[in-house]
Amino acid sequence: GAVVSQHPSRVICKSGTSVKIECRSLDFQATTMFWYRQFPKQSLMLMATSNEGSKATYEQGVEKDKFLINHASLTLSTLTVTSAHPEDSSFYICSAQSGDRNINYGYTFGSGTRLTVV
Amino acid sequence: DQQVKQNSPSLSVQEGRISILNCDYTNSMFDYFLWYKKYPAEGPTFLISISSIKDKNEDGRFTVFLNKSAKHLSLHIVPSQPGDSAVYFCAASYRDDKIIFGKGTRLHILP
Repeated sequence: GAVVSQHPSRVICKSGTSVKIECRSLDFQATTMFWYRQFPKQSLMLMATSNEGSKATYEQGVEKDKFLINHASLTLSTLTVTSAHPEDSSFYICSAQSGDRNINYGYTFGSGTRLTVV
Repeated sequence: DQQVKQNSPSLSVQEGRISILNCDYTNSMFDYFLWYKKYPAEGPTFLISISSIKDKNEDGRFTVFLNKSAKHLSLHIVPSQPGDSAVYFCAASYRDDKIIFGKGTRLHILP
């Protein structure tokens, strides 16, 4: 149980364009989803927490106008990187909270999206 | 302020031997600890967890030890296998709040 699908797995875009990444919980309802960014040789940095039907909570230092998060349903959250620049190139990972502690303590991760901005 | 610390960025262990990955934390309010394994270009996968009311949890080749007085936990993998080569993240949580990750330790299993 508890599968999270993240799409696309890899995307290359031109500088100045926007990219949308989707995170879906396939077999459970996720009231809360988390978005992480991983830099080379560094840990997973929490970017924001999104709750279904409300505005996302962004961590300090994360530009909310640049990283738009929408959690319109209990199974889907999207991260849109707006006006992407090369420094936004990174590996983005989502996590969905199932509320079932018996399943990975309620947290299941997507497979990640490698974003390259050229 | 780094609340979860993994001070060894990498570790090399001979196949068949024991791998010990260490993790320290500073927040005594953490009540749940987890270990995740991550391969390149993939999301982390859950390995094993431990509640703060326990000091040991075992699952097959993986055992996690918790020393609350020292605010230290460790992951033991025995015997180590080639497929264990990955980055291991220690993580902590308090009352179902967001998970705080350490920076990870890259484990290399040597043939």
